Parts: sequence; structure tokens; C-alpha cells
Amino acid sequence: AQTVTQSQPEMSVQEAETVTLSCTYDTSESDYYLFWYKQPPSRQMILVIRQEAYKQQNATENRFSVNFQKAAKSFSLKISDSQLGDAAMYFCAYRSARASGSRLTFGEGTQLTVNP
Amino acid sequence: DGGITQSPKYLFRKEGQNVTLSCEQNLNHDAMYWYRQDPGQGLRLIYYSQIVNDFQKGDIAEGYSVSREKKESFPLTVTSAQKNPTAFYLCASSIDRRGVTDTQYFGPGTRLTVL
Repeated sequence: AQTVTQSQPEMSVQEAETVTLSCTYDTSESDYYLFWYKQPPSRQMILVIRQEAYKQQNATENRFSVNFQKAAKSFSLKISDSQLGDAAMYFCAYRSARASGSRLTFGEGTQLTVNP
Repeated sequence: DGGITQSPKYLFRKEGQNVTLSCEQNLNHDAMYWYRQDPGQGLRLIYYSQIVNDFQKGDIAEGYSVSREKKESFPLTVTSAQKNPTAFYLCASSIDRRGVTDTQYFGPGTRLTVL
């Protein structure tokens, strides 16, 4: 079974600074997808960024980028120019690319605080 | 507006009662999912459905039941057999065409409290 580990329960960053959230996963599969979701105080889960394992290029979405290290099974999220609105719980998630593997496996989450 | 709706936002239940949480989507997504979130924890999969009239158990299905009679709707019933039902429940949906699933998008959630 796949597992996802987020080793940082809490992180903080100063507004306009850069922060990196860590995520590692364990799988025996070679083809899969990785996601970062954001959960603000409203508790709505919002997709931040997605990475296909077969792609060597790291995904980016505006101020959000990932460092995907397939051999190390590591998938960190970098937030540049942090804004107050980035404060939220961030979840890393794994999904198999197999046709029948549609479920997401989540990590425990990292609570990010942005200080003005 | 396209999206996923869940109702109600807050739900209170007395012990021993069944209660049904609603999830509707108008995104024309094939697959739908129910997750449970406990304080300070990640999401755990309860049930999922990849096609109408078919669904599979997730990791914590005991004490829950679902139906998928329409593509747009995937209601979750929390039965009296669920020992600790107080939690936040999230519904999600995704495209699932030609056997390849896509990104899951989430509804706003329902907070269930057992009195």
C-alpha cells in the first residue's frame, strides 16, 4: 500500500519570503500522480499543483512550484513571495495511474502560518 | 455555475439515528468520492464510485452506506453502526474516461456532530 508522509506539522514564513513544505511517499509503482492541496480555514480543499511521475520537468503554477525527486520519492512544495492568503493547511496526496487506481492517499498535512 | 455542492453545511445527529449527507455535481464527472477528515489529520477514503450503479469500499467503509443512482448525485448515509461519526465529510469528483482518472475536485464539506 502507498503511504504519504509530511514530516512538518507546522511551518511559518514571513510575508514576501519563500517557504518549502516537504513530502515523501512510498510506492512500488512507476507511474503515478502527486498533488498538493490547500485547505484554508473555510475547509474547502483547493488544488494547488499536480505532477505526473513520468514527467521530469517540475510543475509550476505562478508562485507555487514543486521539486519532484522520483528516485528519492520526494515531492516538496515551494511557495515564493508568500502572501497572507497562503495561510492554510497543505496536504500532499498520491494517486496511482493504474486504470483502477482512482483513490487519493493523503499525508497528515502541514499547517502554514504567514506572518505580516 | 459548475461545481460540487454539499448539504447541509452543519448537521447534528442524535446517537442511534441514521443521517444522509448530500453531494451533487454538475461537472459531468464520472467518478465521485467520500472522504472523512478528523481534527489535525488528513483525509481518509470512505467510498467511491466510478460509474452509475456501482461503488467500492474505501479504507473506512464500516458504518457507512452510499448509492449512485444518478451520475450527478452520490449521497452518503452515516448509520447508527458508525461508532464515532463526528467529523468533517468531504465529497469529491473527477473525470474518469477511458479508464483514466483525472484530478479530484472537492465540495465545501459537511460538519457532522453527534449529540
